[in-house]
Amino acid sequence: AQTVTQSQPEMSVQEAETVTLSCTYDTSENNYYLFWYKQPPSRQMILVIRQEAYKQQNATENRFSVNFQKAAKSFSLKISDSQLGDTAMYFCAFMKAGGGADGLTFGKGTHLIIQP
Amino acid sequence: DTGVSQNPRHKITKRGQNVTFRCDPISEHNRLYWYRQTLGQGPEFLTYFQNEAQLEKSRLLSDRFSAERPKGSFSTLEIQRTEQGDSAMYLCASSLWGGVGNQPQHFGDGTRLSIL
Repeated sequence: AQTVTQSQPEMSVQEAETVTLSCTYDTSENNYYLFWYKQPPSRQMILVIRQEAYKQQNATENRFSVNFQKAAKSFSLKISDSQLGDTAMYFCAFMKAGGGADGLTFGKGTHLIIQP
Repeated sequence: DTGVSQNPRHKITKRGQNVTFRCDPISEHNRLYWYRQTLGQGPEFLTYFQNEAQLEKSRLLSDRFSAERPKGSFSTLEIQRTEQGDSAMYLCASSLWGGVGNQPQHFGDGTRLSIL
């Protein structure tokens, strides 16, 4: 079974600052996907960024980038130039690759607050 | 792409009653997932379908829970003889699998269940 750990229950930064959210995971799988999802208050879960484990290059999506360290089983999310709209719960998630894959395994989340 | 649609948004019922939720996935998506999210936690995987076949069920899915996807399109999740511990947000997600492998899951707004 896989586990995902997010060690920061809450973080708060000023608008325009850079913030890094931590995530570690444990698995015996060699081929898998990692995701960061954002869940604004009372709104639906939205995919922020995705990383395939077989790719060494870190994924980036505009202001969002990851630091994927496969050997260390670490997958942190960096948000640059943070905006008020980034305020949300952020969940790190793991999924096995392949046809027999089951659902996502989520961490407990980090509540990110962007202060004006 | 109209997104994943879930109905109802909120359901309040007395303990012991049966409830049914509906999920309409993104039309071309062949995989459909159900998750449960309790307050302050990340979503937990319940079950998933590929087309009309239910391929995986979590240990969290007790005998009181049943899910169907009769024609490979919409899905229903029924909870019989509801208990206080069933109070949660029930999330549905869909994705396209095949050819290009696992694609990201897109989530609906969820159905919030409250047991009185």
